[in-house]
Amino acid sequence: AQSVSQHNHHVILSEAASLELGCNYSYGGTVNLFWYVQYPGQHLQLLLKYFSGDPLVKGIKGFEAEFIKSKFSFNLRKPSVQWSDTAEYFCAVNTYSGGYQKVTFGIGTKLQVIP
Amino acid sequence: DSGVTQTPKHLITATGQRVTLRCSPRSGDLSVYWYQQSLDQGLQFLIQYYNGEERAKGNILERFSAQQFPDLHSELNLSSLELGDSALYFCASSGQGVLAGVGLGEQFFGPGTRLTVL
Repeated sequence: AQSVSQHNHHVILSEAASLELGCNYSYGGTVNLFWYVQYPGQHLQLLLKYFSGDPLVKGIKGFEAEFIKSKFSFNLRKPSVQWSDTAEYFCAVNTYSGGYQKVTFGIGTKLQVIP
Repeated sequence: DSGVTQTPKHLITATGQRVTLRCSPRSGDLSVYWYQQSLDQGLQFLIQYYNGEERAKGNILERFSAQQFPDLHSELNLSSLELGDSALYFCASSGQGVLAGVGLGEQFFGPGTRLTVL
């Protein structure tokens, strides 16, 4: 069964600090990978996605993520966080097998940026 | 605005009752997903429908059921409600790839329905 692990459940950073949120998945086949963000009081929205090609993907608001197939990882990064990045971040994996699509979300990482 | 709508926004009910949550997907999206988000369990996938048919099941309780109608809107029915069912329920929809039923996975989330069971 596929699964997604987000290792940091709660991260606190000062503004301008660099961010890296870990995401590992378990699945042996082809995957599509996503990072979603949920700002306080809002619904989830897509931050970035990986389907194929360049394993380094860039998303909105200066975020990027790197797919490392050998490590089954898709870590999210941002060189310099802002107070407005305070939110919860979810990694998700989409697989397609036997005519069925399955999406699995990680438990989420709450990021708090201190001004 | 994601294009996904959910009603109602808030719902307050008592234990033992039954409620129905409604979701309208983005225009053209055939897949609808339901999620439950609570403080202690995080974001839990409940169920997915594609063009009226159930496609995937997650951690959905037997007291819960869903369906997708010919106009593609979906309803999530929660019955015999318990205090622990209090949560935010999200609906998401996704578009389709080249092959029928193949979703590229990017989901568009609705604003959610906040259910409070007293």
